[in-house]
Amino acid sequence: GAGVSQSPRYKVAKRGQDVALRCDPISGHVSLFWYQQALGQGPEFLTYFQNEAQLDKSGLPSDRFFAERPEGSVSTLKIQRTQQEDSAVYLCASSPAPWLGRATYEQYFGPGTRLTVT
Amino acid sequence: SQQGEEDPQALSIQEGENATMNCSYKTSINNLQWYRQNSGRGLVHLILIRSNEREKHSGRLRVTLDTSKKSSSLLITASRAADTASYFCAPAAGNNNDMRFGAGTRLTVKP
Repeated sequence: GAGVSQSPRYKVAKRGQDVALRCDPISGHVSLFWYQQALGQGPEFLTYFQNEAQLDKSGLPSDRFFAERPEGSVSTLKIQRTQQEDSAVYLCASSPAPWLGRATYEQYFGPGTRLTVT
Repeated sequence: SQQGEEDPQALSIQEGENATMNCSYKTSINNLQWYRQNSGRGLVHLILIRSNEREKHSGRLRVTLDTSKKSSSLLITASRAADTASYFCAPAAGNNNDMRFGAGTRLTVKP
């Protein structure tokens, strides 16, 4: 079956531009996560959705970052007025069950979007 | 939040040898997961071990968990060149099951 897909795979933006990154999770997966991965580092948590509800956005680095999942399936991560420090790979992951309450499920990751801000 | 710290940062071995990677964390956890990331690709889940489990196996992979030492290890036996990747541990803790990745161990298996 289809896994998690992300688009675009690569994005080059000039500093100050707005970008939108898309994530298509596995069909029926309740939980959706966004991570930011800098070169040579592990993924850093950004935000979590359970269906359409954004239950945790504690990892978003600034108010320039905004995520939504309006119908509980596809999600978009938007970065406004991009800065050079936003250059990273943005990973999306989904999981079949709610993540809260000590759930123990694996996350399925997409291939990521590599964002380069020049 | 709870973050895993992998050790060593980098490991280079010959094909056929075993590879051991360690993960330490600071507070009580609900479970701990190990993931693999090949160059330029997303992460792939390897094993999940719950806090009440001490050891788990999956093929050539063996994970141990010592909650008293707040550490976990991932052993890959009879390594292959295709095992070359970065390996991350991700402990999950708290009511929100916050899961945070470490910086990873970069494993190179030479043919």
